[in-house]
Amino acid sequence: DGGITQSPKYLFRKEGQNVTLSCEQNLNHDAMYWYRQDPGQGLRLIYYSQIVNDFQKGDIAEGYSVSREKKESFPLTVTSAQKNPTAFYLCASTVGLAGQPSSYNEQFFGPGTRLTVL
Amino acid sequence: RKEVEQDPGPFNVPEGATVAFNCTYSNSASQSFFWYRQDCRKEPKLLMSVYSSGNEDGRFTAQLNRASQYISLLIRDSKLSDSATYLCVVSSPTDSWGKLQFGAGTQVVVTP
Repeated sequence: DGGITQSPKYLFRKEGQNVTLSCEQNLNHDAMYWYRQDPGQGLRLIYYSQIVNDFQKGDIAEGYSVSREKKESFPLTVTSAQKNPTAFYLCASTVGLAGQPSSYNEQFFGPGTRLTVL
Repeated sequence: RKEVEQDPGPFNVPEGATVAFNCTYSNSASQSFFWYRQDCRKEPKLLMSVYSSGNEDGRFTAQLNRASQYISLLIRDSKLSDSATYLCVVSSPTDSWGKLQFGAGTQVVVTP
């Protein structure tokens, strides 16, 4: 079955540590995204990538980094510079039609990773 | 002001009843509109896209009012399984990519 997988489901981190969240998709989608969700708030965009080897900062990129070496994979690293990293992290992808903004198309989400800083 | 605003609820709805709620957006240039459903501690999933002429999918009806800059979702004959948070999602063609803006969600609780 095609879909998006994220791992781990739960992650606990000590202050000062970097952690990497995995996101893999087998939908053959070009565009991939990372969002953060906090209680009572909408999803906020951290980073997005339209094609391999290219990615752009979203609204809240500070303290995060990404890579896109393969079409299927878009890992997110939460660095120690992120002041309040405890949140629910969601990865998404969309097909991205040529000549049309990816945002016109449905985004498919992975099951998410809950990160808690101890 | 937030780009997308929703009444957080909860809307407590008896099973079989109708519930409706709105979402307002601030960017008049917004092009695409969606309703997503999110169950507790799960990922959002697309419920339906919202078209200018309004559209219906079974018991769900979505409307778009561009003049007043809001979209609405109506659920008829509510089922217990409709209990969820409904996210309003709006895109704006501010650049070639066009980001999505998510509302914080409206919680619906359907009771027996």
